[in-house]
Amino acid sequence: DAMVIQNPRYQVTQFGKPVTLSCSQTLNHNVMYWYQQKSSQAPKLLFHYYDKDFNNEADTPDNFQSRRPNTSFCFLDIRSPGLGDAAMYLCAGRNGLQEKLFFGSGTQLSVL
Amino acid sequence: GEDVEQSLFLSVREGDSSVINCTYTDSSSTYLYWYKQEPGAGLQLLTYIFSNMDMKQDQRLTVLLNKKDKHLSLRIADTQTGDSAIYFCAEGAAGNKLTFGGGTRVLVKP
Repeated sequence: DAMVIQNPRYQVTQFGKPVTLSCSQTLNHNVMYWYQQKSSQAPKLLFHYYDKDFNNEADTPDNFQSRRPNTSFCFLDIRSPGLGDAAMYLCAGRNGLQEKLFFGSGTQLSVL
Repeated sequence: GEDVEQSLFLSVREGDSSVINCTYTDSSSTYLYWYKQEPGAGLQLLTYIFSNMDMKQDQRLTVLLNKKDKHLSLRIADTQTGDSAIYFCAEGAAGNKLTFGGGTRVLVKP
């Protein structure tokens, strides 16, 4: 099965201090996703890449950006984290039109 | 837009069967999924079903799909304490994003 790896497992940042979360995958999944999950809520899609094509969800704040320098790596940048951005951030990968979507173990972000 | 609904909580005794229910609204959904999430962890894909099927069995897991009523269920046979977790159903089309329900917290009592 696919391996989706997220680092770090826990991230603490300060209010307003930029932070980057990392995700990598090992089976050349051409589609990668970033989801935000707040406590006891459903995961919410922020954006996804289909190959190099970036697809932003309409309600994703401008504060959230993403980079995908190559097939294996995808980054989530939060330019000015607010207290409301504290959440679990989940990265996922999928191979083209296949039905299975595989998630990493997530990065739990705290904002102080 | 798409909407996926689940009940919030289910309590079950160890050894009994659990049934978790889900309803969705998007009639164009191609696949429906069940994910398991343990505390502080990511989402683990348990099983999924193609929309032209009405049942899928995988060891202790049985998925039932009523496409007419847009109702999906997950039955866990012989529920164990290790099955305590939050279970999310999700719907989507191949290659597209998934829309998740709010999750059902399952508590297994010894």
